[in-house]
Amino acid sequence: GAGVSQSPSNKVTEKGKDVELRCDPISGHTALYWYRQSLGQGLEFLIYFQGNSAPDKSGLPSDRFSAERTGGSVSTLTIQRTQQEDSAVYLCASTLYKGENRPQYFGPGTRLTVL
Amino acid sequence: KNEVEQSPQNLTAQEGEFITINCSYSVGISALHWLQQHPGGGIVSLFMLSSGKKKHGRLIATINIQEKHSSLHITASHPRDSAVYICAGYHYNTDKLIFGTGTRLQVFP
Repeated sequence: GAGVSQSPSNKVTEKGKDVELRCDPISGHTALYWYRQSLGQGLEFLIYFQGNSAPDKSGLPSDRFSAERTGGSVSTLTIQRTQQEDSAVYLCASTLYKGENRPQYFGPGTRLTVL
Repeated sequence: KNEVEQSPQNLTAQEGEFITINCSYSVGISALHWLQQHPGGGIVSLFMLSSGKKKHGRLIATINIQEKHSSLHITASHPRDSAVYICAGYHYNTDKLIFGTGTRLQVFP
């Protein structure tokens, strides 16, 4: 079956512009996570969604970052007024349940470059 | 100090060698993921375990909850095993994954 997909795969933008990154989780997966991996760094949690519950936004690095998940499926991560330090690979993962310790399935990521 | 530590950071091996990557954590976790990330590629979940040992092909993962330690072993290593291996623990209270910094493995023919 289809895995987690993300788009675009690469995004180059100018400093100060807004960007939107999209994640399509595996169908039926109720939990969705966003992570960031900066060059040479480990993975960093950003936000997760579980069903209709309020998202856990505790990992978002600033108020320029926001995310939505519409209809319990597709999610969009928005970065406003991008800065060069936002350059990273943004990864999305989904899992069947939150709190059930199911394996997370990762998308291929979106490589964001802010010039 | 990271809550999840991996060692070594970098590892080179000759094809056929037995490889061990270690992961220690200082927070309470309910389960631990071992992930594989190929250069330029996505992340694949290899194992998720909360006790004992799991085996898949040439890969073996073990965890000792009391000692807060997990190991990933690769038997008869192959150049296609070259990747970054990441351990990540589900935090006991928040259920968020806390990631180690990864171990970069290169296996030469």
